[in-house]
Parts: sequence; structure tokens; C-alpha cells
Amino acid sequence: QKEVEQDPGPLSVPEGAIVSLNCTYSNSAFQYFMWYRQYSRKGPELLMYTYSSGNKEDGRFTAQVDKSSKYISLFIRDSQPSDSATYLCAMSGRSYNTDKLIFGTGTRLQVFP
Amino acid sequence: KAGVTQTPRYLIKTRGQQVTLSCSPISGHRSVSWYQQTPGQGLQFLFEYFSETQRNKGNFPGRFSGRQFSNSRSEMNVSTLELGDSALYLCASSLEGTAGMNTEAFFGQGTRLTVV
Repeated sequence: QKEVEQDPGPLSVPEGAIVSLNCTYSNSAFQYFMWYRQYSRKGPELLMYTYSSGNKEDGRFTAQVDKSSKYISLFIRDSQPSDSATYLCAMSGRSYNTDKLIFGTGTRLQVFP
Repeated sequence: KAGVTQTPRYLIKTRGQQVTLSCSPISGHRSVSWYQQTPGQGLQFLFEYFSETQRNKGNFPGRFSGRQFSNSRSEMNVSTLELGDSALYLCASSLEGTAGMNTEAFFGQGTRLTVV
């Protein structure tokens, strides 16, 4: 079993839809949670950064962390065709074996007009 | 504020050769991490350098090595290239690295290495 599980998709939605992307993890030592967006042939771009549990909102993006369930989510409101990309969750912690970024495999999102 | 710069962007090498990739982090960032990205394995951690010292290492063979200079710029070297080394190599910079509170990591555009 991988430390971080993420559905690879593809997830195809119409423009304007609310998108929900999720990751589950197995190691309770993770404390820092990130979402990256990666366009084809580009490097990952940091979208959201969250420490421990809770919600964080930035424009159309909301990140949620539920440490009790070992589950993190990224919501995209009013999705746009320009949101079409691969979304990667990543996490790290301070303890041995978590003190590096561990990535999910990424979910490919397609937003059609 | 300039982002993370990786050079070269594209590279084609022959099996058995060696290659050196370069990464210039965001100004003020002291941590540089390197990742290998392939379609099958996703993003895998290679190593992290902080203040010129390797602080963490992933599960890659010794053919993969790196170093960091006093200005925080980092290089990664792969010796005796194999076909399976073909990948996108990404570096990420952060203020304190993944062991600190300021763990936000910013990536460069990557170097796409093709081994033939």
C-alpha cells in the first residue's frame, strides 16, 4: 500500500462545475499538506499549503485537512477550462521517514467548455 | 521575485554517459530538493540539500549524487546512465526544507532527460 493514495482520474467536468479532488494517507506523522497543479511539460506549481487540520480558502480554491480520517481535499469552485491540469497532493512531517515531500500520483482534471 | 531556475531544459544522452543538472533556488531559500518524475512512478524524492549538506536521501542508487554550493545553487549528477533514467528531473526550493515549519516548496520547470 502506498503512503499517499490519489485517484488518477481522468476527471472530466463541464465549465462552472465544483470539482472535488482527494487524497488519503496512512502515516499519522504527516503535518504539512500541499496541493500542486501541473500543466503538461511544466513543473508543479504550489496552489495551497496547510499546516495540520482545518480549512484554507484562496479565491476559487479551498483545501481541507481531516487528520482524524487521514483525508485531504481540494475544492475548485466555478471551474474553468484553464484549470485543466494534473493536481498533485503532497505531504511531509518532522519525524523520520516523513521529513521529505511524499506525493500522490496525481489526478488529471479536464474542464470542458 | 525570480523563481526556481533549472538548466538545461532538455537533454539527450547515451547509455553509459554521465550528466549534470543545475538548479538555482529562489533567493533566500537554503533548501534544495531533487525529484524524479516518470509516468509510471510519479514524483519520487532523490535527496535534499540544506546549507551545503545533504540532509535527506531517497531510495536511489549511488549513481545519483548531488551537491550544494555556498550560494545555495545545487547540482545533480547521474553517472553511467541507463535507459530507465529517462525522466523529468525537478528541483524544489524552500526556506527551511521539509523538516522545518516553512515547508512550502516551489518547483522549477524541470530538466527532461532522455537516455538513448
